[in-house]
Amino acid sequence: GAGVSQSPSNKVTEKGKDVELRCDPISGHTALYWYRQSLGQGLEFLIYFQGNSAPDKSGLPSDRFSAERTGGSVSTLTIQRTQQEDSAVYLCASSTLLAGVYEQYFGPGTRLTVT
Amino acid sequence: AQSVTQLGSHVSVSEGALVLLRCNYSSSVPPYLFWYVQYPNQGLQLLLKYTSAATLVKGINGFEAEFKKSETSFHLTKPSAHMSDAAEYFCAVRGANNLFFGTGTRLTVIP
Repeated sequence: GAGVSQSPSNKVTEKGKDVELRCDPISGHTALYWYRQSLGQGLEFLIYFQGNSAPDKSGLPSDRFSAERTGGSVSTLTIQRTQQEDSAVYLCASSTLLAGVYEQYFGPGTRLTVT
Repeated sequence: AQSVTQLGSHVSVSEGALVLLRCNYSSSVPPYLFWYVQYPNQGLQLLLKYTSAATLVKGINGFEAEFKKSETSFHLTKPSAHMSDAAEYFCAVRGANNLFFGTGTRLTVIP
């Protein structure tokens, strides 16, 4: 079946612009995660959605970052007033309620470059 | 607080040689530990996980890892490296609603 998909695969933007990154989780997966992969820094947790519960936003690095999940499926990560340090690969993952963090399926990521 | 440390950002081995990728963890609760692999331009794929059952965990593609509480380690091994094993490998520990990842080890396999 289809895996986690993300769009766009690459995004180049100018400093100060807003960007939106999209994630389509695996059908039926109620949990959705966003991570950021910066060069040499591994993966950094950003935000977690589970069903209709309030999201865990504890990993968002600043108030320029926000995310929403409409209809319990597609999620959009928005970065406002982008900065050069926002350049990274943004990865989305999803899982079933039962599996949770024990079985996350990752998308291919969106590579964001801020010039 | 949970964290993992991966020793060695780059590891090179000859084809057919033993692969050993090191991971040490820090956790205030009994840890659940994971190894993921990332091939170029792809997302992460789960190799194996330790969830407090057997301390020796076997995963996909011939990889295995051993949980050693006394050493706070969860090293990844494979007896014989293949060219197709060239990738980046990440160790991770479970948090409340997420995984905490290490900085990754890039494995190069020399023919």
